[in-house]
Amino acid sequence: AQTVTQSQPEMSVQEAETVTLSCTYDTSESNYYLFWYKQPPSRQMILVIRQEAYKQQNATENRFSVNFQKAAKSFSLKISDSQLGDTAMYFCAFMKQFSGTYKYIFGTGTRLKVLA
Amino acid sequence: DADVTQTPRNRITKTGKRIMLECSQTKGHDRMYWYRQDPGLGLRLIYYSFDVKDINKGEISDGYSVSRQAQAKFSLSLESAIPNQTALYFCATSDPDRAETQYFGPGTRLLVL
Repeated sequence: AQTVTQSQPEMSVQEAETVTLSCTYDTSESNYYLFWYKQPPSRQMILVIRQEAYKQQNATENRFSVNFQKAAKSFSLKISDSQLGDTAMYFCAFMKQFSGTYKYIFGTGTRLKVLA
Repeated sequence: DADVTQTPRNRITKTGKRIMLECSQTKGHDRMYWYRQDPGLGLRLIYYSFDVKDINKGEISDGYSVSRQAQAKFSLSLESAIPNQTALYFCATSDPDRAETQYFGPGTRLLVL
């Protein structure tokens, strides 16, 4: 069965600094998708970044980038030049559709606080 | 206007009551989902629907039912609410052309007394 593990329940970072959030997953599949979602205090879930497993190049979206290590089943999120608005819960997610079954599995989240 | 809307945003109900949570979307997506979020457990999939005639159980469907009234509408029902169904409920749509990226509604906070 697929699982997604976020081992850091809480983290903090100084404004303008860089922080990395960890995510590992377990699957026997070779093709799948990985996501990072952000949930600010407003509780709205928002996509941060997406990675297709068949792509070797790490995804990047402005200040957000991932380090995707397929063999190690690791998918970490790096936030550069942290801003106060980055304060939120961050969820890692795994998606795979196969054999008529749809799997969209979220980790338990990392609460990130950006300090002024 | 928001692409995915949920009503109500907050609800308090009593054990044994029937309650319906509604979701509407203007994104034109065929695929819709219901999740619940509990502290420390992340989001878990309750039901999903790939089109009006296709409804599937997710990870935690017991105690819930759904209705897909139209492409744009997907409702979640608790036939007889119980306290451990107290949670934050999210509706979402996804776009298969964008690797199934999920687009979430604002959530419904439900308290069952």
